[in-house]
Amino acid sequence: TAGITQAPTSQILAAGRSMTLRCTQDMRHNAMYWYRQDLGLGLRLIHYSNTAGTTGKGEVPDGYSVSRANTDDFPLTLASAVPSQTSVYFCASSDSGSNHNEQFFGPGTRLTVL
Amino acid sequence: GQNIDQPTEMTATEGAIVQINCTYQTSGFNGLFWYQQHAGEAPTFLSYNVLDGLEEKGRFSSFLSRSKGYSYLLLKELQMKDSASYLCAVLDSNYQLIWGAGTKLIIKP
Repeated sequence: TAGITQAPTSQILAAGRSMTLRCTQDMRHNAMYWYRQDLGLGLRLIHYSNTAGTTGKGEVPDGYSVSRANTDDFPLTLASAVPSQTSVYFCASSDSGSNHNEQFFGPGTRLTVL
Repeated sequence: GQNIDQPTEMTATEGAIVQINCTYQTSGFNGLFWYQQHAGEAPTFLSYNVLDGLEEKGRFSSFLSRSKGYSYLLLKELQMKDSASYLCAVLDSNYQLIWGAGTKLIIKP
């Protein structure tokens, strides 16, 4: 079972360029999340989706957009990258019908914006 | 605002016991999680507490006091592979996870 996958593993991006980070899960989880993780800070929620067709803003949504066309995929798009978006990005999913809503994480994408 | 505090770094000796504390102030409470994260890897689930008391799972135990806004993760018989960051997270009233910055645990032989 693959679980949750992310692509690419890492990327160097010129400022001003756009990029889409891909996330796919095969666990049929209804909820999916995008976080960024920066040194010295906790995981910060960018966007989330409680079910296919719906999305919501997290703590740090500016400069990012998401879509949830189906249950499995939850891409994150940076329309015009800036150096402050240099970070490690984690996608996660959960079954909100479970008794404690445990989140499962993908391996992460390390993004550097120059 | 919402806040989760845990020590930045701790050091312990192989074979010993270590307790990692977490205090929280959040809008609502629907459970507290501990995750382990090895360097360069994704966080993985360790434990979940929603009621007061101690939950034991092998060498790891997690404790919760909701009245004090306090939890700890207890690791026994430490092994070198336990060197990692330990993340405390609280599920708030909107069922969103609020994360602490993590505690980096260094195990020395």
